[in-house]
Amino acid sequence: ETGVTQTPRHLVMGMTNKKSLKCEQHLGHNAMYWYKQSAKKPLELMFVYSLEERVENNSVPSRFSPECPNSSHLFLHLHTLQPEDSALYLCASSQEGGRNSPLHFGNGTRLTVT
Amino acid sequence: GEDVEQSLFLSVREGDSSVINCTYTDSSSTYLYWYKQEPGAGLQLLTYIFSNMDMKQDQRLTVLLNKKDKHLSLRIADTQTGDSAIYFCAESRSGNTGKLIFGQGTTLQVKP
Repeated sequence: ETGVTQTPRHLVMGMTNKKSLKCEQHLGHNAMYWYKQSAKKPLELMFVYSLEERVENNSVPSRFSPECPNSSHLFLHLHTLQPEDSALYLCASSQEGGRNSPLHFGNGTRLTVT
Repeated sequence: GEDVEQSLFLSVREGDSSVINCTYTDSSSTYLYWYKQEPGAGLQLLTYIFSNMDMKQDQRLTVLLNKKDKHLSLRIADTQTGDSAIYFCAESRSGNTGKLIFGQGTTLQVKP
């Protein structure tokens, strides 16, 4: 496995369900990110973890709960979501500390909240 | 402000050149990136340019940077149908590596 892998690729959940999105990076990076991509909106940065510590939380509702158990894995726990939370959720990783730290993205999880 | 702006749509004929434009606002930007997103996929890093450069060429891709006007462009030579995708520009600011500011994306449609 190389790059950034996300599971599941598609998820349909009701508003009362609890589910988790998983991300794994095989690039040896030390930072991981969750982005939300909705139709006709710019990419929204949700959370940033650097060296397994959450360094940014962009006013994301508490129904989204991230977890970073180690530098290779990132989860997004979901509960009591709203239909407007339907979107493509993208995970990314980067190597912090260098001058050039591009993000490497996974293929995303397409979430539909019914 | 934080805005990175792109036109939303570009249509070209196969074999023509495509030019996708982007403007940004922060003069402290260090690196500028172009990403490609195909349907059902994540964002793939295409190329990048350091802010002290004004041009970078990589096979069919040419990136031009006008730092004075804060204008970035991506030229794709001999555009193919496989180039149809959404293209995002993004900037990285000094001391803020890893947190990129993205434009809203330009949809490139390549007609046969």
